[in-house]
Amino acid sequence: QVKQNSPSLSVQEGRISILNCDYTNSMFDYFLWYKKYPAEGPTFLISISSIKDKNEDGRFTVFLNKSAKHLSLHIVPSQPGDSAVYFCAASGNYGGSQGNLIFGKGTKLSVKP
Amino acid sequence: KAGVTQTPRYLIKTRGQQVTLSCSPISGHRSVSWYQQTPGQGLQFLFEYFSETQRNKGNFPGRFSGRQFSNSRSEMNVSTLELGDSALYLCASSFPGGRTDTQYFGPGTRLTVL
Repeated sequence: QVKQNSPSLSVQEGRISILNCDYTNSMFDYFLWYKKYPAEGPTFLISISSIKDKNEDGRFTVFLNKSAKHLSLHIVPSQPGDSAVYFCAASGNYGGSQGNLIFGKGTKLSVKP
Repeated sequence: KAGVTQTPRYLIKTRGQQVTLSCSPISGHRSVSWYQQTPGQGLQFLFEYFSETQRNKGNFPGRFSGRQFSNSRSEMNVSTLELGDSALYLCASSFPGGRTDTQYFGPGTRLTVL
C-alpha cells in the first residue's frame, strides 16, 4: 500500500536528493519519513498531514500530492552523513490503524563527497 | 531523556524454541508498538499496547504475543519458532499515544532462528 519504487539513489554532496513514495489507500491522511542507519532503529525525520501539501524542517522538505497519491522528500543540500535507508510511512483514519504505521520498503541513499 | 531501549540486541535460537524480547519506552510514553523487519516484507506491524491493553494487532499468527506492564515496559513473545521468524524486531513508543503522534524507535533485537 506504500511503495518506494527506487531501491537506491546516489547523489553528489551539495546537490539535491529527491526520494519518492506512492500510496494506494485514500484513507491515509498522515505521512512520515524515517531514516535508518545500519544496526540502529529508524529515526523520525519529518511528517506531513493530508491537509497540507508541504512541510519544511531545515534541509528536509516533504511534498504531498494527494490527487496523485504521491509524496516526496527533498534534502538540500545533501551531505555524506545523510547516507542511509529512508522509509516512507503512512497512517490512516480507519479501524485497525492505531499505532500501525504502514511502511514502504525503503530507498538507500548514498551521498558521495 | 533516554531513548527507547530493547534487550537483548542479538539472539540466536533454534526451531521450536520460544523467545521473549523486551522494550523499555521513552519515559512518559504509554504507547508501544512492535514491528518485524525482514528483507522481503520490510517493516510490518505486529501489535500496539497502551496502558497495558492491546489496542491493535497486525496480521501475524497467534504464536506472536505481547504484553505491557504498568510502567509501560513491553515484552513480546514468539512461541514455536520457525526459520521465517528470523528478523529484526523493533519497538517504538509515542506520547501521548494518539494515532498521529510520532513513534520513536529502539535499535531493535536481531533474532536468528537456526
